Amino acid sequence: EIVLTQSPGTLSLSPGERATLSCRASQSVKYNFLAWYQQKPGQAPRLLVYGASSRATGIPDRFTGSGSGTDFTLTISRLEPEDFAVYYCQQYGSSPFTFGPGTKVDIK
Amino acid sequence: QVQLQESGPGLVKPSQTLSLTCTVSGGSISSGGYYWSWIRQHPGKGLEWIGYIYYSGPTYYNPSLKSRVTISLDTSKNQFSLKLSSVTAADTAVYYCARSIDPWGQGTLVTVSS
Repeated sequence: EIVLTQSPGTLSLSPGERATLSCRASQSVKYNFLAWYQQKPGQAPRLLVYGASSRATGIPDRFTGSGSGTDFTLTISRLEPEDFAVYYCQQYGSSPFTFGPGTKVDIK
Repeated sequence: QVQLQESGPGLVKPSQTLSLTCTVSGGSISSGGYYWSWIRQHPGKGLEWIGYIYYSGPTYYNPSLKSRVTISLDTSKNQFSLKLSSVTAADTAVYYCARSIDPWGQGTLVTVSS
């Protein structure tokens, strides 16, 4: 089973700042099948990025996914008020699919 | 576009079987290339992948739940379902269904309590 580690656990930033979220896998993610989700309280996760770097439909271009192999990054170029949420990475290249523990982005 | 909706009892007694259904609209569950997943989230916690079923029938379950989980398709109703047997309070969670990695249903809270 591939274990995903996300850092930091919490990121305290102000609107307009840049956010850099990390997701590290215990072994190489097959085909770079790595997704990023955003989750707000009481809502289902929303897909932001798939295949490590492809933005999902309707996702603003301030969200950028990058990386390959075992190291992946989600960058939010300029935080908008609606971006404060929890972010999860998921690998779906090898079963069992696994999620990281999440990074909470909160308002400083 | 494709939408998914979970349904089922919100309260299940310990030792019983949790049964949920996911109804798919806007697309056929039999269309190729997709797998149909169940994921859960314990209150205030992270996400746990339960398992999936391919449109053609093969399944894969999380080893930690494998002995208790069954996922099946009902193509005539465009639905797929989850059964989790011998539940305990530790199975209390919001349960989500999803098509591959997107989209997801809105989730349904299942509480295990007597």
